[in-house]
Amino acid sequence: DAMVIQNPRYQVTQFGKPVTLSCSQTLNHNVMYWYQQKSSQAPKLLFHYYDKDFNNEADTPDNFQSRRPNTSFCFLDIRSPGLGDAAMYLCATSPGQFTDTQYFGPGTRLTVL
Amino acid sequence: TQLLEQSPQFLSIQEGENLTVYCNSSSVFSSLQWYRQEPGEGPVLLVTVVTGGEVKKLKRLTFQFGDARKDSSLHITAAQPGDTGLYLCAGGRSSNTGKLIFGQGTTLQVKP
Repeated sequence: DAMVIQNPRYQVTQFGKPVTLSCSQTLNHNVMYWYQQKSSQAPKLLFHYYDKDFNNEADTPDNFQSRRPNTSFCFLDIRSPGLGDAAMYLCATSPGQFTDTQYFGPGTRLTVL
Repeated sequence: TQLLEQSPQFLSIQEGENLTVYCNSSSVFSSLQWYRQEPGEGPVLLVTVVTGGEVKKLKRLTFQFGDARKDSSLHITAAQPGDTGLYLCAGGRSSNTGKLIFGQGTTLQVKP
C-alpha cells in the first residue's frame, strides 16, 4: 500500500545534541511537509517542499533545518534541541497541483532530556 | 491571517450520545478536510468536502460543508468509545502547494 513512513517512531536526545528525523513516501507526491505538534494541539507547519523548492514558515526557528534529497525522502534536522522542542513531529505529503488533501505519517515522538 | 475556529475544544460524553463539532471562518475555502488523530499516531483523513452545501456520510459520521464554503460541521451519531480522539478540521485554498489552515482541534472522550 502507498504510504508515508516516519523513522524512528520514538527518539530520545539530550539537550543540545543534534538529531535527525526521517520521512519517506511511496505516493510519489510532489509536496512534503514537516509539522510540529504539541499535546492536543493542531499541527504547526514548520516548512514544506514543492518538489525541490524549499519554503520556510516565517516563525520556524533557525534551529530547524530540512533536506529533501529526492522525491521520496525528506529529513528534519534539529541542530541544538531544547526542552521546548519536545513534541510529536509529523510528516505529510500532498499531490500539490491545486489538490488540498494531505496524507500524514504516524509521527515521531521526540523527547529531550 | 486566515483563521479556522473549531468548537468545542473539549467534549466528554457517554457512549450512545450524539455530538456535533463546528469549524467556522470568515474566509472562503476551496475544500475542507476532517482528520481524526489517536494518541501517539498521525492524523488520519476522514473526508474531504469541496462543494458548498455538500453532505458526506461515513457510517455514523456526517460531514457538511456550508453553502458559502466558510464553515463545516461533523456530526457523530451514537458515539462509541472507539470514536475517542482528536478531531481536526483543515481548510484548503486550492494552491499549488496544498497548504492547509488547521482548526485548533476538538478532543473527544467517549466513556463506556
